[in-house]
Amino acid sequence: GENVEQHPSTLSVQEGDSAVIKCTYSDSASNYFPWYKQELGKRPQLIIDIRSNVGEKKDQRIAVTLNKTAKHFSLHITETQPEDSAVYFCAAKREYGNKLVFGAGTILRVKS
Amino acid sequence: DVKVTQSSRYLVKRTGEKVFLECVQDMDHENMFWYRQDPGLGLRLIYFSYDVKMKEKGDIPEGYSVSREKKERFSLILESASTNQTSMYLCASSLGQTSGNTIYFGEGSWLTVV
Repeated sequence: GENVEQHPSTLSVQEGDSAVIKCTYSDSASNYFPWYKQELGKRPQLIIDIRSNVGEKKDQRIAVTLNKTAKHFSLHITETQPEDSAVYFCAAKREYGNKLVFGAGTILRVKS
Repeated sequence: DVKVTQSSRYLVKRTGEKVFLECVQDMDHENMFWYRQDPGLGLRLIYFSYDVKMKEKGDIPEGYSVSREKKERFSLILESASTNQTSMYLCASSLGQTSGNTIYFGEGSWLTVV
């Protein structure tokens, strides 16, 4: 089955700096890769996703890149702000299937 | 706006008790899921259901069962709660089977077994 590894487990950055979180997956049939953000005490919410037919997707200060050959994908947050502090989860899923497999999560702290 | 509602936010139960966690979604989603969230382990799938009365085991089904009698409701059952089931439980739902169908989570249920 699919296995998703996520690094680092914790990340501290200074406000205004960039943050990068990396994930690798094992199932070459996976083709959908969402990222979820979970603020303290709240539910995880989708912030960006990418399908395997594209290599990069951007939405304002966040971007996701995908390298299908190497089976890894990354979340990039630029100009970090204190409200970016949260736990971020990557995940992977096959085209037809219900099962979304999550990474272990990254605690991002943005210091002001 | 999709709403996934978990009926109990905080529960304290005794070892050996039977525990029911209820989840309701209001968007007519086919799929419903139960995840368990533990620090350093991420979100691990316990069970999911892709239709009424249908269920499939996830990665950690041992000690749990589920029930889906109506499309909008998915229940997680701990037949005999144990201390290692102390955790945060997240219900979620999504449309269909194809990629790109966003999974929407509930607020979570914090269960402590003493």
